[in-house]
Amino acid sequence: SYELTQPPSVSVSPGQTARIPCSGDGLSKLYAYWYQQRPGQAPVLVIYKDSERPSGIPDRFSGSNSGTTVTLTISGVQAEDEADYYCQSTDSSGVYLTFGGGTKLTVL
Amino acid sequence: EVQVVQSGAEVKKPGESLKLSCKTSGYRFAHYWIGWVRQTPGKGLEWMGIINPEDSNITYSPSFQGQVTISVDRSISTAYLQWSSLKSSDTALYFCARLRTSGWGNWFHPWGQGSLVTVSP
Repeated sequence: SYELTQPPSVSVSPGQTARIPCSGDGLSKLYAYWYQQRPGQAPVLVIYKDSERPSGIPDRFSGSNSGTTVTLTISGVQAEDEADYYCQSTDSSGVYLTFGGGTKLTVL
Repeated sequence: EVQVVQSGAEVKKPGESLKLSCKTSGYRFAHYWIGWVRQTPGKGLEWMGIINPEDSNITYSPSFQGQVTISVDRSISTAYLQWSSLKSSDTALYFCARLRTSGWGNWFHPWGQGSLVTVSP
C-alpha cells in the first residue's frame, strides 16, 4: 500500500513560520492535498493540487512540492492555526486515496 | 452553497446493524462521487471507499472491503454507510465528503460534520 509520512508534531511561536513536511514515493508524480482539523471539528481542505488554495483559506497557507516531499507552510502563524494537519494523495492508479498520519501543530 | 450533513451519534452493541446517512445539497448529486473516512485516535484518517451516485459504482479500500456497505439514494441526494454486524473495533468517528477529481488525483471537499459510532456491550 502507498504510504505518506508526516512528523507527529511541530511547534512554533505566534507570528513565526510553520513548515509541515509530508513524504511519499509517488508525490513526484501525483498531487498532494492538505487538510486542517481543529479539535472537535471536521477536516477542512486548505491546499489542493500541491499548492492551490481554496476560496476562503487565508493566503498565509501555502504548499510546495520538491519531488517526493510536499510541504505545507503557514506564514505568520496565529493561535487559531493550532490544529492537526493531514496530507493526502492517491496511488498510481489515481483511485485509491491515502492519508498521512497527521501532524499536530502547537502554537506556543 | 455546498453542504454535507451527516446523521447523529449512535451507541450500539456488538452484533447489531447500523446505517449512517450523509445528505448533500447545493450541487448536482449525481455529478460528484461521495466518500467515507474513518477516524480513530490510534490510526488518524483512513479512507474507506467512494461511490459514484450516477451509477452506484463503488471502490472500497482493501482494508474495508467486505466490512461495510456504501450506497446512495439519488432521489434524496443521500449517501449511506452500513454495517450488518458491528464489532467493538468499529468504534470511531466517521466522515463523509464530496470527492473532487482531476487528472492527477482525488481529494475531499467539503466534509460532513462527522458521526460518532460507539460499539459497546
